Amino acid sequence: GAGVSQSPSNKVTEKGKDVELRCDPISGHTALYWYRQSLGQGLEFLIYFQGNSAPDKSGLPSDRFSAERTGGSVSTLTIQRTQQEDSAVYLCASSRTSGGVWGELFFGEGSRLTVL
Amino acid sequence: AQSVTQLGSHVSVSEGALVLLRCNYSSSVPPYLFWYVQYPNQGLQLLLKYTSAATLVKGINGFEAEFKKSETSFHLTKPSAHMSDAAEYFCAVSESGSGTYKYIFGTGTRLKVLA
Repeated sequence: GAGVSQSPSNKVTEKGKDVELRCDPISGHTALYWYRQSLGQGLEFLIYFQGNSAPDKSGLPSDRFSAERTGGSVSTLTIQRTQQEDSAVYLCASSRTSGGVWGELFFGEGSRLTVL
Repeated sequence: AQSVTQLGSHVSVSEGALVLLRCNYSSSVPPYLFWYVQYPNQGLQLLLKYTSAATLVKGINGFEAEFKKSETSFHLTKPSAHMSDAAEYFCAVSESGSGTYKYIFGTGTRLKVLA
């Protein structure tokens, strides 16, 4: 597709369950980002992948959160043992940014997670 | 580490009035600065960016922002607000030359335009 694709668009789960959120970036984009958007919290940085480099995980809020990016393309954000405070919209973005060239971030529509 | 502060989570202006959304940043190296806009029920899109060229940057839809190093600010302005400008606006910073291209966003300012 032409844009960043995220799935599912909506996910309702029970507290304690694991969830996986998927992001398919724009083809050719080397950088991929995950953010969490909550009311009043803005966009909270979670994790950033750049090419084949080790990801910057400095924003992951706890060890229940993890992410991987396979083959430099699709990324999966996994939340284990979900808690109600994990409820938010999870945004993925990709860009061509690399080697000193700054590219625009292109965002997906987001995955809205509700933990009951 | 870089950070961004957006003053005012909600701003209301009358249609035709000046729009001023404030953004202050903190960065240990020369920053790159961005404004993104999120219209209702839509994804975020780039409004404008500063990457060390001209300090006054023009963006889409008549918006512009000025980089002021002495004030560590990157405020967003538009001379005359339009109803279609109602949206949430996010300021973001990234540290140039640090080898990372991580973007840190502010908490956002929701702009309301009154008829």
